[in-house]
Amino acid sequence: RKEVEQDPGPFNVPEGATVAFNCTYSNSASQSFFWYRQDCRKEPKLLMSVYSSGNEDGRFTAQLNRASQYISLLIRDSKLSDSATYLCVASGGGADGLTFGKGTHLIIQP
Amino acid sequence: GAVVSQHPSWVICKSGTSVKIECRSLDFQATTMFWYRQFPKQSLMLMATSNEGSKATYEQGVEKDKFLINHASLTLSTLTVTSAHPEDSSFYICSARMGGGEAFFGQGTRLTVV
Repeated sequence: RKEVEQDPGPFNVPEGATVAFNCTYSNSASQSFFWYRQDCRKEPKLLMSVYSSGNEDGRFTAQLNRASQYISLLIRDSKLSDSATYLCVASGGGADGLTFGKGTHLIIQP
Repeated sequence: GAVVSQHPSWVICKSGTSVKIECRSLDFQATTMFWYRQFPKQSLMLMATSNEGSKATYEQGVEKDKFLINHASLTLSTLTVTSAHPEDSSFYICSARMGGGEAFFGQGTRLTVV
C-alpha cells in the first residue's frame, strides 16, 4: 500500500523562528510531490510543488531526496499566519491518485 | 491556480434523505476527480477516484451504493449521499486534476444529517 508518513505534531514554534518538517513516502515510483496547507475547517490549498532540484518560494523551501524517499519543507521567519496543517503529497503521475500524508500541525506562537 | 467550485457549501438534511454535492472545474478540464471525507480534527480520507466517462474506483470500506459518484464530463463530478444518516455528517471535499499535475480542491461541503 502506498503510504506517506508525517509527524503529526503539533509543532509549537515562536514567531520569527525557522521550522522544518519532513515526510517520507513508500512508493519509489512516485514522480510528483507537493506540499498543501489546510486551515481549520477549510479545504487544502496548494502551497508548492516539490522539484528534484529543490525549490524556493519566498520564505518556503522544499527539498526532495529520492534516495532516501523523503520530502522536506522549511519555513523561515515564521509568521502567525503560517499556523496551519501542512500536508505532504506524493503521486505516481497520470491518472493515478494523490497519496496524502495525515498532515503536520504547526502552531506559531507570538 | 486553477479554480474548482463545489456546492453547496453546507447542507442540513433529514435522516433517510439523499444529498447531491457538485464539483466543477471552472477553468480547466479535469481528467480525474477525487472525493474525500474529513471528520473533525482528522486527516483527509480518500473515498473514491473518478475518471471522466468511467466508473469511479472506491477505496476499501466505502460503500459504492451509498456514495454514488458520477463524472459525466471533464468539468463536472457529483457525489450523492443516499439515505443519509447522522454518522454520514462530515466535511466532504472534492479535488480535480488535469493529467499528472497538482490537484485543486473545492471549498468543501459541510453535511449535517439530523
